[in-house]
Amino acid sequence: DIQMTQSPSSLSASVGDRVTITCRASQSISKYLNWYQQKPGKAPKVLIYAASSLQSGVPSRFSGSGSGTDFTLTISGLQPEDFATYYCQQSYSSLVLTFGGGTKVEIK
Amino acid sequence: EVQLVESGGGLVQPGRSLRLSCAASGFAFDDYAMHWVRQAPGKGLEWVSGISWNGGTIRYVDSVQGRFTISRDKAKNSLYLQMNSLRPEDTALYYCAKGGPTGDLQEDWFDAWGQGTLVTVSS
Repeated sequence: DIQMTQSPSSLSASVGDRVTITCRASQSISKYLNWYQQKPGKAPKVLIYAASSLQSGVPSRFSGSGSGTDFTLTISGLQPEDFATYYCQQSYSSLVLTFGGGTKVEIK
Repeated sequence: EVQLVESGGGLVQPGRSLRLSCAASGFAFDDYAMHWVRQAPGKGLEWVSGISWNGGTIRYVDSVQGRFTISRDKAKNSLYLQMNSLRPEDTALYYCAKGGPTGDLQEDWFDAWGQGTLVTVSS
């Protein structure tokens, strides 16, 4: 199975900061990497699909990049509503779809 | 508006069975893959199982293979997860999730989620 490793597992940031979260796959997954945001007590929602495509309705301060094994999610200008946990997920393998361990973004 | 409403969760003893349901509305159910994703208390997300738009491709995470069965009923716009031989480590909030535009399990994403149904396996 393809393993997904996110870093950091948590971070503290201030409103207005630029935040970068990384996700590494154990083998090449081409561009098939998705990013989700989950707030406490809520279901996740997709932010970015296929590494860099912004889901409809998601603010443009969210962006994704990368291909192969290394990917990043960037939040340019952190807003109060962005404090949440973020997960990457690979869809390259149809055998097992795997998530990263998550990155919790907290208020500094 | 896409809506996914899960039901069927509850407290069950180890070794027993449970059947989860997900009622879908607001989209052409037949056109999309559907998935179950779970989240143990205080833990991360784990994909459990997926079924392609026509039911032709079905996959499971290794830990539930042989114990869980996913199915879909297009007449009822519903997704199901039959869970047998339940273990304490199956305790989690189970989400129903809709696949994206490919209709398949690969090269796709989860673009809508239900609010989840809680399964607790304990004696």
